[in-house]
Amino acid sequence: DSGVTQTPKHLITATGQRVTLRCSPRSGDLSVYWYQQSLDQGLQFLIQYYNGEERAKGNILERFSAQQFPDLHSELNLSSLELGDSALYFCASSVGVAVNTGELFFGEGSRLTVL
Amino acid sequence: TQLLEQSPQFLSIQEGENLTVYCNSSSVFSSLQWYRQEPGEGPVLLVTVVTGGEVKKLKRLTFQFGDARKDSSLHITAAQPGDTGLYLCAGSSYSGAGSYQLTFGKGTKLSVIP
Repeated sequence: DSGVTQTPKHLITATGQRVTLRCSPRSGDLSVYWYQQSLDQGLQFLIQYYNGEERAKGNILERFSAQQFPDLHSELNLSSLELGDSALYFCASSVGVAVNTGELFFGEGSRLTVL
Repeated sequence: TQLLEQSPQFLSIQEGENLTVYCNSSSVFSSLQWYRQEPGEGPVLLVTVVTGGEVKKLKRLTFQFGDARKDSSLHITAAQPGDTGLYLCAGSSYSGAGSYQLTFGKGTKLSVIP
């Protein structure tokens, strides 16, 4: 158990819909990262928040947005869903803002299926 | 965009065999991490290597960081069924404003057959 909690574990929805994925980081971790994992693209970095502020942005689509709340939990909002958005979405957390040599702790992921 | 190429993509071996998986890039990384991911779970960190030429051992697993800090290898001795999983390498690079970004390879899927 990494200490990172993600909900829901599975989600099935239709094209055009909007979903929200939730993440609670490990106790004491201030950074939250969102990754998308698909068979063809591997693990792709989407966005990082540190102590409530956006810190780094990766390959996140404009249809996707995220935020980190004062209690440090984070939500990833995916809207106008397309078939290609079907993937595993992982949340990870770390103690500090820089992950150069530190460890990322991953949750078990949310599997999104868009029909 | 910095890319990490992992090879082989798939590897199926018999219990007791040795194997090496590779992680290559044209970019220099500040550090390189190896993670293992099992079905239905998130990746779990195995090791971090920082210095060019560094070798780290974790029981039957040996990790090496290339001298130029562009590539890495993972060698497993006497593989066991419990080693089965997706092995991911991740390179860390400075992205500005005090932040580092981890770039992951697509992974090597290892199956160890009893």
